[in-house]
Amino acid sequence: GENVEQHPSTLSVQEGDSAVIKCTYSDSASNYFPWYKQELGKRPQLIIDIRSNVGEKKDQRIAVTLNKTAKHFSLHITETQPEDSAVYFCAASDYNQGGKLIFGQGTELSVKP
Amino acid sequence: DSGVTQTPKHLITATGQRVTLRCSPRSGDLSVYWYQQSLDQGLQFLIQYYNGEERAKGNILERFSAQQFPDLHSELNLSSLELGDSALYFCASSAGGFSGNTIYFGEGSWLTVV
Repeated sequence: GENVEQHPSTLSVQEGDSAVIKCTYSDSASNYFPWYKQELGKRPQLIIDIRSNVGEKKDQRIAVTLNKTAKHFSLHITETQPEDSAVYFCAASDYNQGGKLIFGQGTELSVKP
Repeated sequence: DSGVTQTPKHLITATGQRVTLRCSPRSGDLSVYWYQQSLDQGLQFLIQYYNGEERAKGNILERFSAQQFPDLHSELNLSSLELGDSALYFCASSAGGFSGNTIYFGEGSWLTVV
């Protein structure tokens, strides 16, 4: 079945620095790759997503890149702020599997003032 | 507010008992997904329903079952509860049953088994 690996599991950066989180997926039929942010005890919230026909997508300080050949995608956060501190999850979805998301293990991002 | 409503928010029960978690999807959404998040764990997919029918199944235990009703709300039934079932259970919904539909999560139901 589909498997998504996410690295690193923890990431600590200084305020203003950039943060990069990487994911790889196993199912070549995957075609949708969202990223969710989860604060402690809260629900996961979608922050950005990318589809397989696009290589890069940007939304203000957040960008996602996708390399279909290598089956990996990455989240880039620039000019990090303390409020970016949270757990970030990548996910993948296969068109043939009904739309369910398979999540990576999560990255705990800590932004130090 | 995502529009996905889950009840109860918190639940404490004893081992061996049975509980039912309820989810109302966003207005108009036909798909409902259930995820389990244990302490320090990721989001494990349990099961998906689309317009009343089971669409996809993950590593859901035989002690767990779910259904989606004609009004599209869903229930997750957990029986013969064990300490290891303590977790945050999320319901999520999307408009369709296909990849690429944005999936919105509810606030979750905290289950503690003692």
